[in-house]
Amino acid sequence: VQLVESGGALVQPGGSLRLSCAASGFAFNTYVMTWVRQAPGKGLEWVSAISANGVNTYYAGAVKGRFTISRDNSKDTVYLQMSRLRVEDSALYYCSKNTAHEDWGRGTLVTVSS
Amino acid sequence: DIVMTQTPLSLSVTPGQPASISCTSSESLLHSDGKTYLYWYLQKPGQSPQLLIYEASIRFSGAPDRFSGSGSGTDFTLRISRVEAEDVGVYYCMQGMNLFNFGPGTKVDIK
Repeated sequence: VQLVESGGALVQPGGSLRLSCAASGFAFNTYVMTWVRQAPGKGLEWVSAISANGVNTYYAGAVKGRFTISRDNSKDTVYLQMSRLRVEDSALYYCSKNTAHEDWGRGTLVTVSS
Repeated sequence: DIVMTQTPLSLSVTPGQPASISCTSSESLLHSDGKTYLYWYLQKPGQSPQLLIYEASIRFSGAPDRFSGSGSGTDFTLRISRVEAEDVGVYYCMQGMNLFNFGPGTKVDIK
């Protein structure tokens, strides 16, 4: 199993960013995929999840209405579209496989700062 | 939201000695399907988290057998039978009963 996140960057407050997570080594289209973030020096915070077929999506209260999770099963990739970014969204964003978060990528860093 | 708490938040252990971490949830994690949706993760320094225990007591593939999980309802424990130097890091419990929430983490280091 390999999960490779990308798309992290420095962005101004109020800006937008799209993260990607490319998966390999397993039947991607049969698993829930999730995003979890970790602010510098802080703990883990679940962000969002999407069902295997992409129909059902779930969000933490802190990001609901600003972030959108999606997936492309033809590309074995899950995305996190982030808009109206805030300073407090600055974190290392991990994607993980399944509701048990049994595999994790190495993360992509998002910094929201003016 | 289901709130997760952990005690202690910091633990210093002598190699070869046992260690335990407690995790409490604000609501029962026992689902009507009979499963208990409580998970334990270890995040070693500079690394991504790794799953140790799922459904409260089932050791994940590749997790050393010195790790064990127990508990039910709202109270859970992770035990390390004999701590090794490679066990240092931050341990998190997580509930998967109603979306997901992590505990604050317990930092474990070696004396």
